[in-house]
Amino acid sequence: GIQVEQSPPDLILQEGANSTLRCNFSDSVNNLQWFHQNPWGQLINLFYIPSGTKQNGRLSATTVATERYSLLYISSSQTTDSGVYFCAVEFAFGNEKLTFGTGTRLTIIP
Amino acid sequence: DTAVSQTPKYLVTQMGNDKSIKCEQNLGHDTMYWYKQDSKKFLKIMFSYNNKELIINETVPNRFSPKSPDKAHLNLHINSLELGDSAVYFCASSQVPGGAYEQYFGPGTRLTVT
Repeated sequence: GIQVEQSPPDLILQEGANSTLRCNFSDSVNNLQWFHQNPWGQLINLFYIPSGTKQNGRLSATTVATERYSLLYISSSQTTDSGVYFCAVEFAFGNEKLTFGTGTRLTIIP
Repeated sequence: DTAVSQTPKYLVTQMGNDKSIKCEQNLGHDTMYWYKQDSKKFLKIMFSYNNKELIINETVPNRFSPKSPDKAHLNLHINSLELGDSAVYFCASSQVPGGAYEQYFGPGTRLTVT
């Protein structure tokens, strides 16, 4: 079954809007990262956030490991935010690999 | 300076052929990976190397053979290509195995098998 599920699968927003992307995982995790895949296919690491909250400009992320979810907030969206957002987790059962989520495709309309 | 680079960026070939993809990182990382992204954008790890040693092999067919000549390079050779091998292949690197440090990805190699 799906171990790392993201919602919503697709999101279309007007420029300037705010959005919240969710990542649910099925088991305890040691580590969690968020990535952005831009329309040209490049994967960029946004956050390393196994727990707590971090902010970087218009982006912030919160992980509540005990409840097995993480949230990525994007404020004042710009067209350059378009792309697919992935969370990826390293499960605590010791496999030393990242398991990627199903992704959220974000489209920002000017 | 490109942190993780891959060549070629595009690869179009016929079924049954053998092809290689090369990856290099200049971040001084100990760990390198190959990932496969299918047409539905699902990303899955294939292999992981740490200090040139294979540490993860995710039940990938034997036709796929990675090689790490040194810590900065990880190549992927694919024999007898099949239609189902069409995908984007990403190389990545990190300081240590797993998710304890950020993983950095190369630009990807889009493989099309006809």
